[in-house]
Amino acid sequence: DQQVKQNSPSLSVQEGRISILNCDYTNSMFDYFLWYKKYPAEGPTFLISISSIKDKNEDGRFTVFLNKSAKHLSLHIVPSQPGDSAVYFCAASEGSGGGADGLTFGKGTHLIIQP
Amino acid sequence: EAGVTQFPSHSVIEKGQTVTLRCDPISGHDNLYWYRRVMGKEIKFLLHFVKESKQDESGMPNNRFLAERTGGTYSTLKVQPAELEDSGVYFCASSRRVLPYNEQFFGPGTRLTVL
Repeated sequence: DQQVKQNSPSLSVQEGRISILNCDYTNSMFDYFLWYKKYPAEGPTFLISISSIKDKNEDGRFTVFLNKSAKHLSLHIVPSQPGDSAVYFCAASEGSGGGADGLTFGKGTHLIIQP
Repeated sequence: EAGVTQFPSHSVIEKGQTVTLRCDPISGHDNLYWYRRVMGKEIKFLLHFVKESKQDESGMPNNRFLAERTGGTYSTLKVQPAELEDSGVYFCASSRRVLPYNEQFFGPGTRLTVL
């Protein structure tokens, strides 16, 4: 039973355009959400996070949007660059630990930026 | 600041043998986590240490897996005896104990192959 779902295994976007990666969750107890980026043979690298008390968080080219009623979040990358090509994981945690608890991950979306 | 390190990077063993994986967290990080990614599936939480204490081991698959964190510094994950289904990439992550929110930093992982 997957509690965090990334329904697009891959996504191809042209360089300079916007990349939108989606994530859905089923556990209403999740209150902290994170996006990680992963290159082959490396561990996941933290990108950006959002608490359930917010609906948007922005950091440079990366913005995460949270729609609690729909149990949906998305990561926007603008503009997309060749170095953004990687696998992106959505993750969530519940409880008051704010991410200090064990994370529940989606299966990942492979983002490919076309020149 | 040195990142999370894991040893070995790869391990190939036969079914029934024992393997011990090691993780050195970022200095000063009280939280230490183990995760596993089986091929084609999502990254799954195994357990969480706060200093030397096991905070949550709900993700440990069975009693063939034993995790320790001596003195609240490095951690080891022993698999004994290893089975074919234990193959995968084992990630370690660490975070500071700074509330309300803290992101987890991941190591490069240990790829375990059980033949």
